[in-house]
Amino acid sequence: DSGVTQTPKHLITATGQRVTLRCSPRSGDLSVYWYQQSLDQGLQFLIQYYNGEERAKGNILERFSAQQFPDLHSELNLSSLELGDSALYFCASSAYHRETDTQYFGPGTRLTVL
Amino acid sequence: DQQVKQNSPSLSVQEGRISILNCDYTNSMFDYFLWYKKYPAEGPTFLISISSIKDKNEDGRFTVFLNKSAKHLSLHIVPSQPGDSAVYFCAAVPNNFNKFYFGSGTKLNVKP
Repeated sequence: DSGVTQTPKHLITATGQRVTLRCSPRSGDLSVYWYQQSLDQGLQFLIQYYNGEERAKGNILERFSAQQFPDLHSELNLSSLELGDSALYFCASSAYHRETDTQYFGPGTRLTVL
Repeated sequence: DQQVKQNSPSLSVQEGRISILNCDYTNSMFDYFLWYKKYPAEGPTFLISISSIKDKNEDGRFTVFLNKSAKHLSLHIVPSQPGDSAVYFCAAVPNNFNKFYFGSGTKLNVKP
């Protein structure tokens, strides 16, 4: 158990819909990262937040957005869902924002878009 | 544009032998490299990392080698154990940390 929690575990929805994935980092960690793992793309970094502010951006689509709240939990919002958005979405947290900080991953949310 | 590549989608090794997982990158601005291991239905777990100022880092059975001139890194697992069977991702971070790049993963199967 990494100490990072993600809800829900599974999500099944239809194309065109909007969903919100939630992540609670390890106690004391200030950075939250979001990743997408799909069959053909491997593990892709989406976005990082540090202490409530966006820190780094990866291959995140414009239909996707994220935020980190004052209590440091984070939400990833996916809208206008397409079939290709079906994937495992991981959240990770680290103590600070340095690239040398170990990232601890949550168990993931499996999103299925029908 | 895949800046970090793991060209072997899978690797099968006998228990007790060496497993060598390879990773190539294209961006000379990468400053830090990491390996993650992922079991089915679980999130990736950090395994070992290496800074670009080093060419080798060792942690128990795991050693990561970095060849900057060839833009190549490898993960050696000696001796391999059946519990090492998992998908291994390499990742690279540039010195300005504006993005975080992962390879597509190599599925390692260690046969008893």
